[in-house]
Amino acid sequence: DAGVIQSPRHEVTEMGQEVTLRCKPISGHDYLFWYRQTMMRGLELLIYFNNNVPIDDSGMPEDRFSAKMPNASFSTLKIQPSEPRDSAVYFCASSSTGTGGPYEQYFGPGTRLTVT
Amino acid sequence: DQQVKQNSPSLSVQEGRISILNCDYTNSMFDYFLWYKKYPAEGPTFLISISSIKDKNEDGRFTVFLNKSAKHLSLHIVPSQPGDSAVYFCAARAGGFKTIFGAGTRLFVKA
Repeated sequence: DAGVIQSPRHEVTEMGQEVTLRCKPISGHDYLFWYRQTMMRGLELLIYFNNNVPIDDSGMPEDRFSAKMPNASFSTLKIQPSEPRDSAVYFCASSSTGTGGPYEQYFGPGTRLTVT
Repeated sequence: DQQVKQNSPSLSVQEGRISILNCDYTNSMFDYFLWYKKYPAEGPTFLISISSIKDKNEDGRFTVFLNKSAKHLSLHIVPSQPGDSAVYFCAARAGGFKTIFGAGTRLFVKA
């Protein structure tokens, strides 16, 4: 299995532009998570989905952020308009309830976003 | 409101010695605790976990201890190896799948 795939790996954009981050979870996983990592706040959960349905979006910082999961193999995190304070590494992770156990999450390599 | 706290930003240990990474939490409803390891330019990877009904879980060189009364857990790595140098995140869940992560502790293992 290829693991969780994220694209792009790096994104540099100007303030005010729309940014779309993409994620392909591990096949068969029924949970998908979006996280943001910054020096100040560490690893924050933004939103997570179960079977493509958003379950908890309380971590989404403001209305400029939106996330979708149109099918089991694809999710997007969109920022519109982007601001310099959105600069961070964004991780996607997936998990499965099918195997029992701790239901650990499998993370993608992250997208490093820089907004100038 | 940090429910999971890792108060040591970094830790330096000599190769072969024990590394002890600490984590404190405030939410008594947490029922599962996990440790993740992260190398630069990679996503975190799962290392070891412990249920709240246990006080110890061991996997090879890695052991996690849970003290519920103190709301404290620790990760012990024995013996430490240079390849263990990474950022270690403590994480916790209170039922469901919502996972709260600590800020991480950077471990340096010196050869």
